[in-house]
Amino acid sequence: EDQVTQSPEALRLQEGESSSLNCSYTVSGLRGLFWYRQDPGKGPEFLFTLYSAGEEKEKERLKATLTKKESFLHITAPKPEDSATYLCAVMVWDAGKSTFGDGTTLTVKP
Amino acid sequence: DGGITQSPKYLFRKEGQNVTLSCEQNLNHDAMYWYRQDPGQGLRLIYYSQIVNDFQKGDIAEGYSVSREKKESFPLTVTSAQKNPTAFYLCASSPRTSGSSTDTQYFGPGTRLTVL
Repeated sequence: EDQVTQSPEALRLQEGESSSLNCSYTVSGLRGLFWYRQDPGKGPEFLFTLYSAGEEKEKERLKATLTKKESFLHITAPKPEDSATYLCAVMVWDAGKSTFGDGTTLTVKP
Repeated sequence: DGGITQSPKYLFRKEGQNVTLSCEQNLNHDAMYWYRQDPGQGLRLIYYSQIVNDFQKGDIAEGYSVSREKKESFPLTVTSAQKNPTAFYLCASSPRTSGSSTDTQYFGPGTRLTVL
């Protein structure tokens, strides 16, 4: 059974304090790994898709990386507006569906 | 504007009633999905559909039903058989499920269902 585990569950940072969120996965054959941002009471917003180990993608203060067992979402010099829940999901070959982790709730204090 | 719409935003249901949540997309996406989200938890897949007139059960399909008569519409019915339906329901779509760049799912704004 495909499993996705995100850590930590919650992360509190001071503005400007860089850190990383982790998404570890156990799947039979990874087709793609997705990162989303979700604000309270809203639908998830797509951030990145990673397909192969060693791949990296960046967007503003966010950088996502992928290995064969896990993905990291690095946040550089975060701002209060980066506060949200970050969700990770994986899709395997021939599945047609994704499995989501429980998310990491990030709070950035000014 | 292209996107995914869900209605209503808030829905209240009495015990024993069936309710239907609407999901419409004008992105010309082939695949559509329904998820349930409980407080502090991730998304759990209820049903998904890769093409019109076909759909598959997800991990928690019991007490729910769907239809896919049109490409742009994928309504979800929460039946009285669903024992704990209070949750946040999210609809998503993706271009198609084959091909390396077309797996990304795009989400609607959600419907919050409360059972009274």
